[in-house]
Amino acid sequence: DVKVTQSSRYLVKRTGEKVFLECVQDMDHENMFWYRQDPGLGLRLIYFSYDVKMKEKGDIPEGYSVSREKKERFSLILESASTNQTSMYLCASSFRGQYHTEAFFGQGTRLTVV
Amino acid sequence: AQSVTQLGSHVSVSEGALVLLRCNYSSSVPPYLFWYVQYPNQGLQLLLKYTTGATLVKGINGFEAEFKKSETSFHLTKPSAHMSDAAEYFCAVSEGGGATNKLIFGTGTLLAVQP
Repeated sequence: DVKVTQSSRYLVKRTGEKVFLECVQDMDHENMFWYRQDPGLGLRLIYFSYDVKMKEKGDIPEGYSVSREKKERFSLILESASTNQTSMYLCASSFRGQYHTEAFFGQGTRLTVV
Repeated sequence: AQSVTQLGSHVSVSEGALVLLRCNYSSSVPPYLFWYVQYPNQGLQLLLKYTTGATLVKGINGFEAEFKKSETSFHLTKPSAHMSDAAEYFCAVSEGGGATNKLIFGTGTLLAVQP
């Protein structure tokens, strides 16, 4: 079975903390993505990466950064967590350059910033 | 840029009734279209996808969708709803170009199934 694993299902962090969300995939996919999901807004792309050490901004990158040091791992970093970053975060991966292939998703991390 | 619009953020049907979830896309090139389902507190799971070829696409759990280029639509249907179909459904289009391809999602439709 293909697998995208997010390190935490639920996280509670304090305002101002630096937060790391980790994602690992075992499918040898080149592409990895971080989405944020909020009610009524669907999934919005934060950052994506198409290769090791490569990254591109998505639609809502402000307040976030990412790291991809190994092909299988993609980390999302909240530099200084704020309450408006309370959300569900979804990691996904897919093969690069094949527009007809789907993305595979992790189970999600529900982050609450207090 | 490509985009998708899902009409109806909430849809409620009775068990055994037809399910129809609407999705319209905007694309300047032939699109690749997807439907995903999300059960409570879970990630997204692929239901079906349209790439090329047959315009009626069959997916898992009895769902199907028809690609209609003239209407720029890719509506999801199921002839008879089951209680287990209650979930949120997302339509997506693949946006290519540049170094990679990425999925652009609609805002989702929450399906409720009444007994």
